[in-house]
Amino acid sequence: GNSVTQMEGPVTLSEEAFLTINCTYTATGYPSLFWYVQYPGEGLQLLLKATKADDKGSNKGFEATYRKETTSFHLEKGSVQVSDSAVYFCALSETSYDKVIFGPGTSLSVIP
Amino acid sequence: GAGVSQSPSNKVTEKGKDVELRCDPISGHTALYWYRQRLGQGLEFLIYFQGNSAPDKSGLPSDRFSAERTGESVSTLTIQRTQQEDSAVYLCASSTGNYEKLFFGSGTQLSVL
Repeated sequence: GNSVTQMEGPVTLSEEAFLTINCTYTATGYPSLFWYVQYPGEGLQLLLKATKADDKGSNKGFEATYRKETTSFHLEKGSVQVSDSAVYFCALSETSYDKVIFGPGTSLSVIP
Repeated sequence: GAGVSQSPSNKVTEKGKDVELRCDPISGHTALYWYRQRLGQGLEFLIYFQGNSAPDKSGLPSDRFSAERTGESVSTLTIQRTQQEDSAVYLCASSTGNYEKLFFGSGTQLSVL
């Protein structure tokens, strides 16, 4: 079945450091890929998405590129801020109207 | 309402009791999802609805769990004979489908004593 794997957390970075959170997936067909974020005390919200190979999703300085050859969708940000501290979830949807499967989440703490 | 609404926000129950959790999706959203999030853990898929039908029930942990949706709107998740391991936040999300994003509710915190 379909599955999503993320790097283990928690991740602790200093402000302005470079961030990478790895995500790989297993799926049949051509899934859409997503990153969701859960800020402390808030609900999950979509951060970015990509619907086909080589697409790059971006939002709030975060980027992720859909790599079909490596089945990956790594999240990156060039300079993190304290306000980026949250739990980040990689997710996939196999086809439209299909279920969305989430990875286990990676907790990020950014310290001043 | 403007967003996905879940009720109750908190539920404390005794082991062995039945509980019913409710989700009101965004109007017009045809897809509705239920997830479970244990403390410090990721999102565990339970079930999703396309309209009023559930094409995938594979995530329901046991036959104590059931869900229904009526009128392509409200959904209820029922847990019978609750156990302590059922304690978690139960999240509902809705979507228009077609690769569009999920909108999440604030969840129901279930505590089984």
